[in-house]
Amino acid sequence: KAGVTQTPRYLIKTRGQQVTLSCSPISGHRSVSWYQQTPGQGLQFLFEYFSETQRNKGNFPGRFSGRQFSNSRSEMNVSTLELGDSALYLCASSLGATSEQYFGPGTRLTVT
Amino acid sequence: GEDVEQSLFLSVREGDSSVINCTYTDSSSTYLYWYKQEPGAGLQLLTYIFSNMDMKQDQRLTVLLNKKDKHLSLRIADTQTGDSAIYFCAESPNSGYALNFGKGTSLLVTP
Repeated sequence: KAGVTQTPRYLIKTRGQQVTLSCSPISGHRSVSWYQQTPGQGLQFLFEYFSETQRNKGNFPGRFSGRQFSNSRSEMNVSTLELGDSALYLCASSLGATSEQYFGPGTRLTVT
Repeated sequence: GEDVEQSLFLSVREGDSSVINCTYTDSSSTYLYWYKQEPGAGLQLLTYIFSNMDMKQDQRLTVLLNKKDKHLSLRIADTQTGDSAIYFCAESPNSGYALNFGKGTSLLVTP
């Protein structure tokens, strides 16, 4: 069974631009969560989607948004990029709310 | 949220056992996880334990859970150089679907 895939793997953007990251969950998994990983703050939860509905959101500004499609694929968008948004963005999928989460390789975003 | 605490660094010799400790925050957490991250990679789920268990063994890995003290540990037997990585402890509170991670323990295995 294929794992969680994320595209692109690396991205360089300029301050003020916007970016869209994509995540394809493991086949059959309907829950997708997004996390931001930085050296200073560690791993922080962004949001979680299940059956196209956002069920939980972390403490991030409104510039961070996401969505989930009917095939469970998910995208996250960051508008008006700031230098501090440079991070590894990780997506995780699971069968349901209390199931273990499996992570993708991440998208490394660099904002210059 | 409150912090999941882990020691930042551990160094062991190849062939020895490694013990990585974690203190979590939410007594209602249903699952507790250990993830491994190698340089430039995502998180690999190593093992997890349900909150009504005290111990779980999976090949070279042993997880111990002390609910009273909210303490979780991961023991790696016969540690190999390929085990060098960052290990994250994570809790899954009942109140939501987000995992709450520790800052990670960097394990260095020397020959």
